[in-house]
Amino acid sequence: ETGVTQTPRHLVMGMTNKKSLKCEQHLGHNAMYWYKQSAKKPLELMFVYSLEERVENNSVPSRFSPECPNSSHLFLHLHTLQPEDSALYLCASSQDMTAGGNEQFFGPGTRLTVL
Amino acid sequence: GQNIDQPTEMTATEGAIVQINCTYQTSGFNGLFWYQQHAGEAPTFLSYNVLDGLEEKGRFSSFLSRSKGYSYLLLKELQMKDSASYLCAVLDSNYQLIWGAGTKLIIKP
Repeated sequence: ETGVTQTPRHLVMGMTNKKSLKCEQHLGHNAMYWYKQSAKKPLELMFVYSLEERVENNSVPSRFSPECPNSSHLFLHLHTLQPEDSALYLCASSQDMTAGGNEQFFGPGTRLTVL
Repeated sequence: GQNIDQPTEMTATEGAIVQINCTYQTSGFNGLFWYQQHAGEAPTFLSYNVLDGLEEKGRFSSFLSRSKGYSYLLLKELQMKDSASYLCAVLDSNYQLIWGAGTKLIIKP
């Protein structure tokens, strides 16, 4: 247990569905991240929140919409996804975004399949 | 552009030593991380290097040379449970982690 939980662990959705991924951290951290992990590819940073403000949006398609209502919770809202969006979506948190505080703790991920 | 290179796959024998290399080219440098990821699980932190030299932590050691843009992870006395992917990541000038694709390490009896 890393102190970061994600739900659901598995999700199958059609291209016209709307769903949300949830992440919660119990570590008192100030920064939270969404990553996409596809087979044999580097982790792709999607969004970063620091103190509940979005600080990074790496050219992610608008069909992915993040929400950070407080420092412990992070959501990723999904709508009209494409089959190529099928991947493992990982949430992570860190104490802050400084060099020394950037050790990231990951949740178990949501395995997403888009049909 | 920013780039992290590490071998795709390596095989080693139980009880032996293996060195996993990582080279990087990034916009700025604020440290290098190694993470371990078992199949189907989340990555977990192994080490952080920001100064040149070797950091030892039990059976695992990590080395950094900033001038060469190079790091390695050294695993000693390999155990079957060390079979996993090992991810190298560099913290760039914006304090964003740039990740390598990972090295899948296969341990054979």
